Amino acid sequence: SQTIHQWPATLVQPVGSPLSLECTVEGTSNPNLYWYRQAAGRGLQLLFYSVGIGQISSEVPQNLSASRPQDRQFILSSKKLLLSDSGFYLCAWSVLAGAGEQFFGPGTRLTVL
Amino acid sequence: GEDVEQSLFLSVREGDSSVINCTYTDSSSTYLYWYKQEPGAGLQLLTYIFSNMDMKQDQRLTVLLNKKDKHLSLRIADTQTGDSAIYFCAETPSGNTPLVFGKGTRLSVIA
Repeated sequence: SQTIHQWPATLVQPVGSPLSLECTVEGTSNPNLYWYRQAAGRGLQLLFYSVGIGQISSEVPQNLSASRPQDRQFILSSKKLLLSDSGFYLCAWSVLAGAGEQFFGPGTRLTVL
Repeated sequence: GEDVEQSLFLSVREGDSSVINCTYTDSSSTYLYWYKQEPGAGLQLLTYIFSNMDMKQDQRLTVLLNKKDKHLSLRIADTQTGDSAIYFCAETPSGNTPLVFGKGTRLSVIA
């Protein structure tokens, strides 16, 4: 069966520090991968999605970036965190792009102080 | 741009029915989804409906789809305290683009 992991579960970082969040999927090949941010009262905001290694689509211009160094690994990064980067970050995968059902990871709670 | 609308809050008494409403924008959406998010957790797929259906029932859950009005609803019968969560609807926009989610409805169940 397929599983999705996110690391770390919680993170407290000072403003201006770098960020690296990791998402890995097991039990499937060539998944479509997604990063979302959930801020209080703002629902789910799609940040990036990837249909294959090295293929990243950015939905929202900001100080975050994403990379997909391996088929089942998706990394969310920042060189300098802002207060507004605080939130709950969710990774998801799907078999199909577009209409496909998405499966979500447990999330990473990021607090920027 | 696309915007899936949901009311933000709903409060019901234990044992009553809950109805969560959603208005979507893309009439060509093939599937419409309902996800549930419990506190501090990721989203889990609750149910979905194919666009050529009007209704789908799954135990305590009933999904109604009105394509003409682009309106989707989720009814939870005999609501329990364990149903307290945020419920997201999502549509499948045309083209090969990801699901579009609403902002979520926070359901509070009062014992």
